[in-house]
Amino acid sequence: EVQLVESGGGLVQPGGSLRLSCAASGFTFSTYSMNWVRQAPGKGLEWLSYISRSSSTIYYADSVKGRFTISRDSAKNSLYLQMNSLRAEDTAVYYCARTTVTPGVDAFDIWGQGTMVTVSS
Amino acid sequence: EIVMTQSPATLSVSPGERATLSCRASQSVSSNLAWYQQKPGQAPRLLIYGASTRATGIPARFSGSGSGTEFTLTISSLQSEDFAVYYCHQYNNWPRTFGQGTKVEIK
Repeated sequence: EVQLVESGGGLVQPGGSLRLSCAASGFTFSTYSMNWVRQAPGKGLEWLSYISRSSSTIYYADSVKGRFTISRDSAKNSLYLQMNSLRAEDTAVYYCARTTVTPGVDAFDIWGQGTMVTVSS
Repeated sequence: EIVMTQSPATLSVSPGERATLSCRASQSVSSNLAWYQQKPGQAPRLLIYGASTRATGIPARFSGSGSGTEFTLTISSLQSEDFAVYYCHQYNNWPRTFGQGTKVEIK
């Protein structure tokens, strides 16, 4: 079964750090580019970051640039999001999402179940 | 940044009726537009990509149309499992952006 499973969420104080992980299974992880998307409570979806198959191309949303770092380890079939200088407005469910393998179609065809991050003192 | 605007915010529809959801981009995204369905407590699910191509396993009652800046998602005959929030998503430019969502509720 094709699956993405996020972990690492939790309660953190403002200014703190957290590292999210996304474990991929059921497909050849190294052949797909990946993304992080978040959803604040009761709100819509916000794309955060993209990493290409080889990690050679990385993009960030302005809201997290300079604070968050995306990375991947194909040997471990895992995607990561290092989150520093966390703010209350970073409180959200964080999803990892796979980009389709079809050239030019950068829709997100597989999503994890999400992990909740709460930033509060 | 391309702003995606969905309308209406909420759509009240009776089961069996047709639902038409709109998505407008602040500048052209060509056909690089996807639609997702999200139910409470669940992750989004890809319905449509390339503005009009159904993703694997998506029923034929879901159809997408449009290009450039105007897009439509049509659900031809609403089933009970279709009541959810729907998001459009442009993947033509960085940063990728989503619409704010349209909630389809039971009338």
